[in-house]
Order: sequence, then C-alpha cells, then structure tokens
Amino acid sequence: DTGVSQDPRHKITKRGQNVTFRCDPISEHNRLYWYRQTLGQGPEFLTYFQNEAQLEKSRLLSDRFSAERPKGSFSTLEIQRTEQGDSAMYLCASSSLGSPQETQYFGPGTRLLVL
Amino acid sequence: AQKVTQAQTEISVVEKEDVTLDCVYETRDTTYYLFWYKQPPSGELVFLIRRNSFDEQNEISGRYSWNFQKSTSSFNFTITASQVVDSAVYFCALSEANTGNQFYFGTGTSLTVIP
Repeated sequence: DTGVSQDPRHKITKRGQNVTFRCDPISEHNRLYWYRQTLGQGPEFLTYFQNEAQLEKSRLLSDRFSAERPKGSFSTLEIQRTEQGDSAMYLCASSSLGSPQETQYFGPGTRLLVL
Repeated sequence: AQKVTQAQTEISVVEKEDVTLDCVYETRDTTYYLFWYKQPPSGELVFLIRRNSFDEQNEISGRYSWNFQKSTSSFNFTITASQVVDSAVYFCALSEANTGNQFYFGTGTSLTVIP
C-alpha cells in the first residue's frame, strides 16, 4: 500500500523565484490537504480539495500561493515571488470521504528554504 | 484563540520510565474528532490514534494509552516503559465536523528518552 508522496523533499531557492511542489495522495483517497509547518510549531492548514474542487482556503494562503488538483489525483502547490518568510515544511495529507473519522495521512513533506 | 494546547514544550525521561503528554482542546461543536500524531526526526507525521466526541472510552495499544475526558476537554497520551525509539515530537489535533475537515494542531511536545 503506497502512502502519500511528495516531491521534491527539499528545495532551496532565491527570494523572488517561483517554486512548485507536488503531492500524490493515497490512491483511493478523494480528499487532499496542504499544511505549512514552521520550526517549533504544529502544522497550519492552508487548503483542501475534494476530488478536483478546492473547497476551503486559509487566510494564510496569500495571493502568491496557488494550489491545483486538475484531475482529482495529484496536486500541486505553487508559490510565486518567494519571500524568506515562506521558508517552512510544506506537508500534504489525504483522507477518504466517508470514512467515519476521516483520518488524514501525511506525506514526508517538502522543506523549502528561501535565501 | 488556540483550539489545541500542548503546554509541555519539551520532556526528557530516562528509558523505561512512564511519561504522559497533555492535550487540552477547545471547541463549541458537539461532534468533533481528536488525534495524536508522532513526528520523528525524519519529519513525516505518523498517525497514532483518533477519537470521536461520543466515545470517551479510554484506549490501550501496547505501551500506548489515551485518556479522553470531555469534562476537562483533555485527551492525554501516556507511554509506558518508554524506549529510545519513542523520542519524537508528538502532536495533538482537533477536527470539527462543522469547520471543513481541517485539522487544528497543537504546538507539539518534544519527547527525549535518555538511554
């Protein structure tokens, strides 16, 4: 059983550059979530999809951030014009709609460093 | 307001000691779910347990046990006979039925088990 995968695992970029991260959820899961985790903090919700529909976005998701899930399978998170404050771990999780408690299963994360 | 509070930032115990990690939550929903995750140094969040608000029965799984008390809004986690492999950051999380399935995480408790 393949878990949630994320690519790349690490990304170093210069301020002002654009970056894109990919998440592949567990195959039968139709809900997909993005979280951001900074050092010493718990993950903070960014957005989630049910199939291809983006149903909720956090106020943390500024207009420089965009997420897509075009075919209801994998998802991408793009950050435009990166800033040093974007440095964090970006976590993806998936869950199955209809499971009683909708446990979210997390990927290994993409660690972003903006210089 | 913080929905999940983990007041213990760091805990150190000697191997084979028992340790309890505290979690206090806040919600107005009558239907909600509570979770514990483990985050080892590798970074991936590992699901440990979930509880729904209608099930206050405590649970034991091997060396792990959980004490859910609605009267005090607490969902504490005890590791019995701790081992070095238990060293990690542990997160408590809350999901409310009426707020779109996002998880609210605490700030985590870093546990170090000393051999």
